[in-house]
Amino acid sequence: EPEVTQTPSHQVTQMGQEVILRCVPISNHLYFYWYRQILGQKVEFLVSFYNNEISEKSEIFDDQFSVERPDGSNFTLKIRSTKLEDSAMYFCASSDRVSPGYTFGSGTRLTVV
Amino acid sequence: GESVGLHLPTLSVQEGDNSIINCAYSNSASDYFIWYKQESGKGPQFIIDIRSNMDKRQGQRVTVLLNKTVKHLSLQIAATQPGDSAVYFCAEADTGRRALTFGSGTRLQVQP
Repeated sequence: EPEVTQTPSHQVTQMGQEVILRCVPISNHLYFYWYRQILGQKVEFLVSFYNNEISEKSEIFDDQFSVERPDGSNFTLKIRSTKLEDSAMYFCASSDRVSPGYTFGSGTRLTVV
Repeated sequence: GESVGLHLPTLSVQEGDNSIINCAYSNSASDYFIWYKQESGKGPQFIIDIRSNMDKRQGQRVTVLLNKTVKHLSLQIAATQPGDSAVYFCAEADTGRRALTFGSGTRLQVQP
């Protein structure tokens, strides 16, 4: 069964440092997403991406965040200057349909110290 | 504001019993609903979805019920198994948006 792959599984970074979280969506999918889940809390939408541009973003997705699809397979989330409150699980997802019944990756646990 | 919430944070059932997990939503514009299962250390896993033009949809051992009048969604799991132990999230979306709004989750514990 096709999977969404995320790397690394765990990233520890110092406050103020830049991090890049990587994702390989399912190959024939066209829509890509990032969500985050702070420990013990809800899964929260960050951003959706289609046709090489952001189609929607939440209030969480401020100027410190950016996404990129640098080639035909990878989809990245960059946080320019991490803060303690950015510590969370970050999930990538992709879909091939108009309806958002998409597939999630296993997540990257980001710990900012 | 818009919100999707769950009534019970933890549900404990005996193996073989049926489980019912509930969810309330407040966005009247929501027309698509999904249930996800999340096991420890993993991402949300799609279980079943339903559109607002339906009241009920069945899958393998799972049934989703939608009551638009009271903005309520439920997930029924038949003959619950130990492997069903996980956190279950409902999520909703409205026409024109791709973003899902997740509920806060219900932990299902299956006792052998």
